[in-house]
Amino acid sequence: EAGVVQSPRYKIIEKKQPVAFWCNPISGHNTLYWYLQNLGQGPELLIRYENEEAVDDSQLPKDRFSAERLKGVDSTLKIQPAELGDSAVYLCASSLVGTSTDTQYFGPGTRLTVL
Amino acid sequence: SQQGEEDPQALSIQEGENATMNCSYKTSINNLQWYRQNSGRGLVHLILIRSNEREKHSGRLRVTLDTSKKSSSLLITASRAADTASYFCATNTGNQFYFGTGTSLTVIP
Repeated sequence: EAGVVQSPRYKIIEKKQPVAFWCNPISGHNTLYWYLQNLGQGPELLIRYENEEAVDDSQLPKDRFSAERLKGVDSTLKIQPAELGDSAVYLCASSLVGTSTDTQYFGPGTRLTVL
Repeated sequence: SQQGEEDPQALSIQEGENATMNCSYKTSINNLQWYRQNSGRGLVHLILIRSNEREKHSGRLRVTLDTSKKSSSLLITASRAADTASYFCATNTGNQFYFGTGTSLTVIP
């Protein structure tokens, strides 16, 4: 079974530019998560989708960040405009909520560098 | 804000020794999970322990949970160089997931 796929793996942009990250979850997983991970820290949840609905976006900086999950499958996370402090790794994860476990399966992440 | 705090932040041991790392959290949980992250990679799920369980084993891993103290520990026995990674606890409150700050484990061959 294919794992969570993310692209691109690396992205370098100048501040004030827009950037977008793409995630394809494991087939059949109804829940998708976007996390931000700073160096030496644990992942911090940005947004959680159950199917197409964003059920938790309380930590998403809505002035510059947006996300969508079309048809309840793939998802895109966008930053516009990017700031220096946005440099981090953006992780996508998926899970099958409703089972006895809520194990999250993570993609490799996108490392963003804002210059 | 992150709910879990791990201790120690960094741990260095010789191959064959046991490694123990601890996680403390703040609110009631449904379950607690441990994940491993190799450098530059995504996180990999290791083990889950439910709030009504006190101890769980999986291969060389042993997890304990003390809900009265709001703490958990992960023991890796007979460590190998391949165990070198960062380890994170993640608490599931039913509505939200919180990851800890992580323990960086180095196993010296």
